[in-house]
Amino acid sequence: NAGVTQTPKFRVLKTGQSMTLLCAQDMNHEYMYWYRQDPGMGLRLIHYSVGEGTTAKGEVPDGYNVSRLKKQNFLLGLESAAPSQTSVYFCASSYGRDVLDTQYFGPGTRLTVL
Amino acid sequence: GQQLNQSPQSMFIQEGEDVSMNCTSSSIFNTWLWYKQDPGEGPVLLIALYKAGELTSNGRLTAQFGITRKDSFLNISASIPSDVGIYFCAGPTSGTYKYIFGTGTRLKVLA
Repeated sequence: NAGVTQTPKFRVLKTGQSMTLLCAQDMNHEYMYWYRQDPGMGLRLIHYSVGEGTTAKGEVPDGYNVSRLKKQNFLLGLESAAPSQTSVYFCASSYGRDVLDTQYFGPGTRLTVL
Repeated sequence: GQQLNQSPQSMFIQEGEDVSMNCTSSSIFNTWLWYKQDPGEGPVLLIALYKAGELTSNGRLTAQFGITRKDSFLNISASIPSDVGIYFCAGPTSGTYKYIFGTGTRLKVLA
């Protein structure tokens, strides 16, 4: 039982390049989330999904797209990377049966955009 | 929008000392969560609080849900080196599955 895993762990991009971050969970969770963490700002929600085939915008969605084609996977895409997207990205998941359900976090992806 | 402010932003303490940190909001929260993030890792849930006035312990950690529902406190007793990390408070925005996280308190323990 690996929990929540993220791929890759590190990535360096040039401005304008695109990439996809992969999040996978093996806990059969319905809800999945993408956050970004910047120094002194805590975690901010980018997008989230309440089930396979559904996605919704969070607090800071601009410049990102997501897809949830399979229940266990949640992809975060950057179509044209910008230096402002340099951050650490965390994926999380929860059962979603109750608003009080615990979120389980992955280890993070450290992205640098030059 | 809703915001969570944590204080202090950082603290250096000696091993064995007790630690206290808090989280405040300008709006009411119905749930308070406390997470710890180790360097290079994702946050891990420490304590969850569901009722105003509730006091909950988890080993050396004790957290309280403020009576006004606009604040919460986390105390760590007899700190040890592995307590090092960033502590976040969090709470779901009203009636949704979207969580807001505080700015974090960075704790360093000197042996």
